[in-house]
Amino acid sequence: EAQVTQNPRYLITVTGKKLTVTCSQNMNHEYMSWYRQDPGLGLRQIYYSMNVEVTDKGDVPEGYKVSRKEKRNFPLILESPSPNQTSLYFCASSLGGLDTDTQYFGPGTRLTVL
Amino acid sequence: QQPVQSPQAVILREGEDAVINCSSSKALYSVHWYRQKHGEAPVFLMILLKGGEQKGHEKISASFNEKKQQSSLYLTASQLSYSGTYFCGTEYNQGGKLIFGQGTELSVKP
Repeated sequence: EAQVTQNPRYLITVTGKKLTVTCSQNMNHEYMSWYRQDPGLGLRQIYYSMNVEVTDKGDVPEGYKVSRKEKRNFPLILESPSPNQTSLYFCASSLGGLDTDTQYFGPGTRLTVL
Repeated sequence: QQPVQSPQAVILREGEDAVINCSSSKALYSVHWYRQKHGEAPVFLMILLKGGEQKGHEKISASFNEKKQQSSLYLTASQLSYSGTYFCGTEYNQGGKLIFGQGTELSVKP
């Protein structure tokens, strides 16, 4: 089944404890992206990657890191999480560029930072 | 830079029509529309590129007015399954950076 998977789906952690949220797609997509969703603010892009080894900042990259060493994986890293990073996170992928292909979203990861 | 969606919320009866607008203060390269049901991930509806193109399938269509820097999503003869929050996402340049509006909550009642 073609899909975008994220792990974990739920995570409660404490301030300052490094964590990684994994994202993987099995559709051979070039484009991948991370978003966070907060009530009243909608979806905000954190980082995106047009292809392997190429990543760029979205609207709210502060406090996050990403890497794209393989086409299928795009992990989101929080080196020192803070309570303001409590949010619902979505990973998404698209076959080519955003302007030509459907973007598929993963199921989401709900993160709570205490 | 965030596009502005209007209305913020709308309640419809089954069979009624609705229009959701997405306006930008900057020139747009593309507009994307998504629907998100409560507790689920956003689902892609359509992309519109600059050029005034109109797209649609079945009873959901959209237009892109490049001059007004605005896109509109049209839902005709609404069904219960149309309920959810609709988001527009905008690209100002070709390149992958996407900025979403704050969303429009649509509720269709029997």
